[in-house]
Amino acid sequence: EIVLTQSPGTLSLSPGERATLSCRASQSVSNNYLAWYQHRPGQAPRLLIYGSSSRVSGIPDRFSGSGSATDFTLTISRLEPEDFAVYYCQKYGASPATFGQGTRLDIK
Amino acid sequence: QAQLLQSGPEVKKPGASVRVSCKVSGYTFNNYGISWVRQAPGQGLEWMGWISGYNGNTNFAQRFQGRVTLTTDTSTSTAYLELRSLTSDDTAVYYCVRDWRTFINYFDTWGHGTLVIVSS
Repeated sequence: EIVLTQSPGTLSLSPGERATLSCRASQSVSNNYLAWYQHRPGQAPRLLIYGSSSRVSGIPDRFSGSGSATDFTLTISRLEPEDFAVYYCQKYGASPATFGQGTRLDIK
Repeated sequence: QAQLLQSGPEVKKPGASVRVSCKVSGYTFNNYGISWVRQAPGQGLEWMGWISGYNGNTNFAQRFQGRVTLTTDTSTSTAYLELRSLTSDDTAVYYCVRDWRTFINYFDTWGHGTLVIVSS
């Protein structure tokens, strides 16, 4: 089973700053089948990125994904107040689908 | 617009079973699958299993094998999760998510979640 490790656990930044979130896989993720989700309290998670770098329609272009094999990154170029949430990476394609433990993005 | 409507909150005693339903609309049920994901209090997201809306094939996370049953009713476009032998560790919000019909994909549409509380 591929284990996804996200870092940092918590990231404290101010609106307007750039956020860089990391997701490292214990083995290579086939076809770069890596997705990113945003999870706000009291809401269902929202898909942001799939295939490592493909942005979902309607997601602001300040969100971008990159990486391959075992190292993946979600970048938020200029933080807006609504971006402060928990972010999860997820590996899909082959079973099991696994999630990272999450990165909490807090307002500094 | 794809939507997944889940059943309401449940309170169960340890050792009991719970059944959560997920009724879909806005897309053809048979063309997709359904995965179930849960989040325990203060914890992250955990994938539990997948069922194809096309042929009923299933796949489970190892830790839920034998304790979870996934079914579908194509006549009502509804998927069901049954979890047996509940313990307090099963207290969580359970989400159904739209998935691919032939394999586990990324999750583009989520239900609103169903809170299951296990308490004596």
